[in-house]
Amino acid sequence: AQSVTQLDSHVSVSEGTPVLLRCNYSSSYSPSLFWYVQHPNKGLQLLLKYTSAATLVKGINGFEAEFKKSETSFHLTKPSAHMSDAAEYFCVVTVNAGNNRKLIWGLGTSLAVNP
Amino acid sequence: GAGVSQSPSNKVTEKGKDVELRCDPISGHTALYWYRQRLGQGLEFLIYFQGNSAPDKSGLPSDRFSAERTGESVSTLTIQRTQQEDSAVYLCATGPGRSSYGYTFGSGTRLTVV
Repeated sequence: AQSVTQLDSHVSVSEGTPVLLRCNYSSSYSPSLFWYVQHPNKGLQLLLKYTSAATLVKGINGFEAEFKKSETSFHLTKPSAHMSDAAEYFCVVTVNAGNNRKLIWGLGTSLAVNP
Repeated sequence: GAGVSQSPSNKVTEKGKDVELRCDPISGHTALYWYRQRLGQGLEFLIYFQGNSAPDKSGLPSDRFSAERTGESVSTLTIQRTQQEDSAVYLCATGPGRSSYGYTFGSGTRLTVV
């Protein structure tokens, strides 16, 4: 069965230090993978997506993620955290279900950035 | 329109009343999802529409929940006899139906059942 696991429900970093949000997936097929961010009182925003091209994907706001098939991981990173990065982050995999496609969501990781 | 539009943005209703939530997709998007997010919890899949195929209703939590969509048009999510545990943000997402693309989310409807 397909699944997505975000390994940390909460991550706290200091401003200016690196960010690592971990995501592992399970899929029977070559997946498409996404990271979304949700700031308080705002809708979801797509950060980046992996679609079987380059394994290192660059997104908005300085975020990037690397698809590692051997580890079934798609961890989100940023070299230097900014206060505005504090938000909820969701890892998502799309899977094929017959003629349909479904989104499988992780439970989210809450990122806190301390001054 | 330029994005996914959801209405109303906020809805307060009394327990036992019916509510209807609306989602206007991006033109041409064949895939449409409904999710809900309760306070402090992750996104919960509710229902998925893909073009004219039979919808995937596997996420609907009870028979009080139903949703409709005709073709690639507007979708409505209806909750009958609302309960306090239905309080959540209901999100709609639409996409072009191909797995290589991300999905665009509306800003959601915040439902509060009192």
